[in-house]
Amino acid sequence: EAGVVQSPRYKIIEKKQPVAFWCNPISGHNTLYWYRQNLGQGPELLIRYENEEAVDDSQLPKDRFSAERLKGVDSTLKIQPAELGDSAVYLCASSLGNALVGSTDTQYFGPGTRLTVL
Amino acid sequence: QQPVQSPQAVILREGEDAVINCSSSKALYSVHWYRQKHGEAPVFLMILLKGGEQKGHEKISASFNEKKQQSSLYLTASQLSYSGTYFCGTHPGNTGKLIFGQGTTLQVKP
Repeated sequence: EAGVVQSPRYKIIEKKQPVAFWCNPISGHNTLYWYRQNLGQGPELLIRYENEEAVDDSQLPKDRFSAERLKGVDSTLKIQPAELGDSAVYLCASSLGNALVGSTDTQYFGPGTRLTVL
Repeated sequence: QQPVQSPQAVILREGEDAVINCSSSKALYSVHWYRQKHGEAPVFLMILLKGGEQKGHEKISASFNEKKQQSSLYLTASQLSYSGTYFCGTHPGNTGKLIFGQGTTLQVKP
């Protein structure tokens, strides 16, 4: 079974440029997550989708970040314009999704996109 | 709200044991443990759901003390392949939101 797929794996851009990351979750997984992981830190949730609906985007900096999940499958995370502080690894994760037992829902992570903003 | 992990880093020789702790100031519904190797995705190890629950995965086991709001990960007879950063993730409520600790870096030397 294929895992979570992300692309690109690495991206180097200059500040003020736009950038986009793509994620394909595990087949059949309804819930999709975007995390940001700074060096030496644990992943921090940016946004969570249940099917096509963003159910938790409280940590997403909405002035420059946007995300979409078309047809409840693939997702794209965009930054425009990028700032130096956006340099991090952006991880996508997916889970089966079950609102009744949310705490038991195991998340599976993709390899991430390492973003460097110069 | 972020769980606190201790220690921050551990260096072991092959065959030695280690304990990684994860504690929270909030009541917990579950604790998830992950291991991440450098440049790779976090890999799920196990989930603990109930107070007092213990689980094992090969020579890696964990316990969850609901009353103390903490969990411990036990690595027995460590192998080189155990090297990496271990994260605990906690659910402060029965929702899908998982909050990760800052990580504990484990290095196993021959």
